[in-house]
Amino acid sequence: KQEVTQIPAALSVPEGENLVLNCSFTDSAIYNLQWFRQDPGKGLTSLLLIQSSQREQTSGRLNASLDKSSGRSTLYIAASQPGDSATYLCAVRRNQFYFGTGTSLTVIP
Amino acid sequence: GAVVSQHPSRVICKSGTSVKIECRSLDFQATTMFWYRQFPKQSLMLMATSNEGSKATYEQGVEKDKFLINHASLTLSTLTVTSAHPEDSSFYICSASRGQGGTGELFFGEGSRLTVL
Repeated sequence: KQEVTQIPAALSVPEGENLVLNCSFTDSAIYNLQWFRQDPGKGLTSLLLIQSSQREQTSGRLNASLDKSSGRSTLYIAASQPGDSATYLCAVRRNQFYFGTGTSLTVIP
Repeated sequence: GAVVSQHPSRVICKSGTSVKIECRSLDFQATTMFWYRQFPKQSLMLMATSNEGSKATYEQGVEKDKFLINHASLTLSTLTVTSAHPEDSSFYICSASRGQGGTGELFFGEGSRLTVL
């Protein structure tokens, strides 16, 4: 069964710092990988979708990479802002979606 | 981007009553929608996969008679929590995948906070 792990579970950084969130998965046979953010008491907002044939995707200050062979993805956030504070989840898809447990990010002004 | 709307966002009910939560895909047709439950500080737990025009597929341990799912159209799925009890209090989230096959992007509703008194 696919297992998705996110490290660290929580991260606190000062504003302006660049940071990397990690996601690892045990089964490399995936269709795609998706990164989400979740604000407290809210649903999930899609950030980036990487198909299995792709290596990375970029949107604004966000860059996500995918290394399927090693079962890893990273989400890079440049010049972090307090508004980036949220929980970030990754999910991999085969026949169904498998979610990581999330990284809770706090950006300190 | 695509929008998935979920309603109501919050509901408080008395024990023993039934509560219906709606999930709509606003700008795309979704043959498949997913229902999740999320406990505080935990990740999403898939409850069931809702298929348009057919019965939902429930995950192991999820009571079919407790959580009724109906997917009557390509844009609407409903989750009914029947005879709700305080232990059913939770955050319920729906999602829909846009596109055919297994490569579609997943979009989520805003979630519904259910509190059973």
